Amino acid sequence: GQQLNQSPQSMFIQEGEDVSMNCTSSSIFNTWLWYKQDPGEGPVLLIALYKAGELTSNGRLTAQFGITRKDSFLNISASIPSDVGIYFCAGTQGAQKLVFGQGTRLTINP
Amino acid sequence: ETGVTQSPTHLIKTRGQQVTLRCSSQSGHNTVSWYQQALGQGPQFIFQYYREEENGRGNFPPRFSGLQFPNYSSELNVNALELDDSALYLCASSIHLGVATNEKLFFGSGTQLSVL
Repeated sequence: GQQLNQSPQSMFIQEGEDVSMNCTSSSIFNTWLWYKQDPGEGPVLLIALYKAGELTSNGRLTAQFGITRKDSFLNISASIPSDVGIYFCAGTQGAQKLVFGQGTRLTINP
Repeated sequence: ETGVTQSPTHLIKTRGQQVTLRCSSQSGHNTVSWYQQALGQGPQFIFQYYREEENGRGNFPPRFSGLQFPNYSSELNVNALELDDSALYLCASSIHLGVATNEKLFFGSGTQLSVL
């Protein structure tokens, strides 16, 4: 089935560092979404992107919808301990479902 | 707090058994979707229900079935459990048709199913 390739799979950084992760696909998606999942919880929406080329910020988070509609990136600036978790990209193609990437696990050393 | 409640939180079954997982959505949320999340993977779409009718299905066999009730609760039923069915099962609700209309989905915390 459709897949989103998310990288890196894991990141180990120091508190205060900036983080960058991305997501690519061989298919075009109409919407790109970025979620964060904490242990024992469901995914929580961070940022939604609806137009090719769109750049959107949510506090320390910035995400962009690639111009080809086949990729997206998420940046986190000045990381803090509560940023620890698994980040998922997800895309829609106008149907009912979200297609998720495999996740990027972020670990922060204080 | 998403307003989506799933029960039970954890469940252990043996191969061949049947299981029912439950989800309670926010009042007014007409759409519920179910996702399966295997360990170390992203969630995978199982199916969606809109106003008590199935409205789309992912690549899952017929032994995965669902029900949605008028009181905004829903069920995921899995028959003839297999070892590979071990996963976190997530439900997500929205007011209208969810991602088809670019609506925000509200996810529950999931039910962790272990099949032995």
